Amino acid sequence: ETGVTQTPRHLVMGMTNKKSLKCEQHLGHNAMYWYKQSAKKPLELMFVYSLEERVENNSVPSRFSPECPNSSHLFLHLHTLQPEDSALYLCASSQEGHGETQYFGPGTRLLVL
Amino acid sequence: QQQVKQSPQSLIVQKGGISIINCAYENTAFDYFPWYQQFPGKGPALLIAIRPDVSEKKEGRFTISFNKSAKQFSLHIMDSQPGDSATYFCAARSGGSNYKLTFGKGTLLTVNP
Repeated sequence: ETGVTQTPRHLVMGMTNKKSLKCEQHLGHNAMYWYKQSAKKPLELMFVYSLEERVENNSVPSRFSPECPNSSHLFLHLHTLQPEDSALYLCASSQEGHGETQYFGPGTRLLVL
Repeated sequence: QQQVKQSPQSLIVQKGGISIINCAYENTAFDYFPWYQQFPGKGPALLIAIRPDVSEKKEGRFTISFNKSAKQFSLHIMDSQPGDSATYFCAARSGGSNYKLTFGKGTLLTVNP
């Protein structure tokens, strides 16, 4: 285990639903990330939070809304998603200024019907 | 625009053989090149990483070869084992940025017994 947990591990939702993905890191890190992983495509960085402030938003549609209430927790709120949003959503964390290693959680497999 | 190009997309190797995965980049500002290993149902995990001031880094059966002038780097897995079967991602990070890892598309490695 990498010390980064994600829930739920699997999620099926309709296009009109609202759901949230949760990530928790137990590593004492101060930066957290959301990535989208789709088949045949590189991992796509969605959001970065450093010291609980959003420092990166990679042109992600507003139907994805991140929240970082503290340095250990990161949420991704989902609403009115599209079928093309079906993917594996990965959370990662790192210690800013102390190396480059990002530690990933196991991901949430999302299917939008 | 894909900034890190990875090949091959898939690779089949016999047990005991050498697995070689290649990556190429364009951005000369990249200064850190990690390789991640991802098993099904798991998030990517850092395998080995290199900086451009060295041409080779070895950790056990895993070696990164780096060619700065050609802007290429590769992962060599010696004495490949069935347990090495996974998807491998190369990545690159711009100097001064702790956040942005640019990933290749991944290589699915299968090591036959």
